[in-house]
Formats: sequence, C-alpha cells, structure tokens
Amino acid sequence: GENVEQHPSTLSVQEGDSAVIKCTYSDSASNYFPWYKQELGKRPQLIIDIRSNVGEKKDQRIAVTLNKTAKHFSLHITETQPEDSAVYFCAAVEIQGAQKLVFGQGTRLTINP
Amino acid sequence: GAVVSQHPSRVICKSGTSVKIECRSLDFQATTMFWYRQFPKKSLMLMATSNEGSKATYEQGVEKDKFLINHASLTLSTLTVTSAHPEDSSFYICSAGPLGTSVETQYFGPGTRLLVL
Repeated sequence: GENVEQHPSTLSVQEGDSAVIKCTYSDSASNYFPWYKQELGKRPQLIIDIRSNVGEKKDQRIAVTLNKTAKHFSLHITETQPEDSAVYFCAAVEIQGAQKLVFGQGTRLTINP
Repeated sequence: GAVVSQHPSRVICKSGTSVKIECRSLDFQATTMFWYRQFPKKSLMLMATSNEGSKATYEQGVEKDKFLINHASLTLSTLTVTSAHPEDSSFYICSAGPLGTSVETQYFGPGTRLLVL
C-alpha cells in the first residue's frame, strides 16, 4: 500500500520568512495529493491540493509542487504570519483496492513574531 | 455547505464501559464515511471505512469487535468503542464525501476527544 513520509517534524521560522514542508510517497499510481492544516484540537482543513497531471499550484501565499518522477511533493508558505502556526499534514490517495487517504506524520510549524 | 458534525465533542468514561460516537453529514448524503484515530502529536490513522447499508472495512490491526461501526443511513455513521480502556483514549475524527464524489472529496468532522479513566 501507499506510504507517505513527511519532513521535518517541526519547523520554526521568523514571521515573514518562507516555510517549506516536504513529503515523499511510495505508490507511483497515486494521483491526488492534498495538504491539510490542523490547529490544536480542531479538524483538519484542506488548504491546497494538487493532481498528478500538474507540476505546481499556487493559491496566494501557499503553493504546492509535485515531482512525479521522484515521487515527492512540497508545500511552500511565503510571507509567513503568526496565524500560520499549526500542524500541517500531507496526504496521498491510495489507489489500489478501496481508495483512501494516507497521511504523512505531520509538521508542527511555529511562526516566531 | 458540506458540513460534518460529530457528537459528543468530548467524553470521559470509566474503563470497561462502551462509548458511542456519531458522525453526521448535515447538508449532503454520504455513501462512505471514514473513521480516523489521532493520538496526541501524531498523524491521522484510518481505522475503518464505513459503507451505508453494508459492513465496514477495517484497516489492518483494528479490532472490528472492539470498534463497532454502523452506517444505517446516508447521513449517519456511528462508532462504538466497546469495553473501553485507557489506551483507547484518543481523538476520533470522521470524514465524509458527497454522493458521487471520490475519496478526494472529504469533509472532516470536528472530532471527539475520548478519555477513558
């Protein structure tokens, strides 16, 4: 089945700087890669996603890049703000059998004022 | 639109008792709902896929007799933790997608925090 690895586990950046979180996946058949933001005790919120037929997608300060050959995708947050502090999870859709989302381990992002 | 609710939001129970958690899609119908468990500072781990009108599909290592899932309607799935023990204490989150959509479209519930004493 699909395996998703996420790095780093924690990330601390100065307000205004950029943050990058990386994920790798194992199943080359996976074709959908969402990113979720989860604040403490809250539900995960989809912030951006990318499909395998696209190399990059951007939404204001957030962007995601996908390298299908290397089987990795990254989340880029520019001009970080204190409200960006949260735990971020990447995920990939496992195609084989009953489809399901497989999540990475999560990255705790802290934006320092 | 696309709101998923969970009840209760938090529950404390004694070891050995059973706890039922409800997951409802408020403004759409869902053939499939997913149940996740999240331990503190850990990722979401899929426990089972709940299918309306049929048996749930459990992930490897999840005891189906301990975590009973019932999906009796297109808007409600329940997870019952039977004979709960302290190690079952966790954050349980469900998700659902509207009819006709794939697993890519999932709306998460707010979660239920279970504490077993």
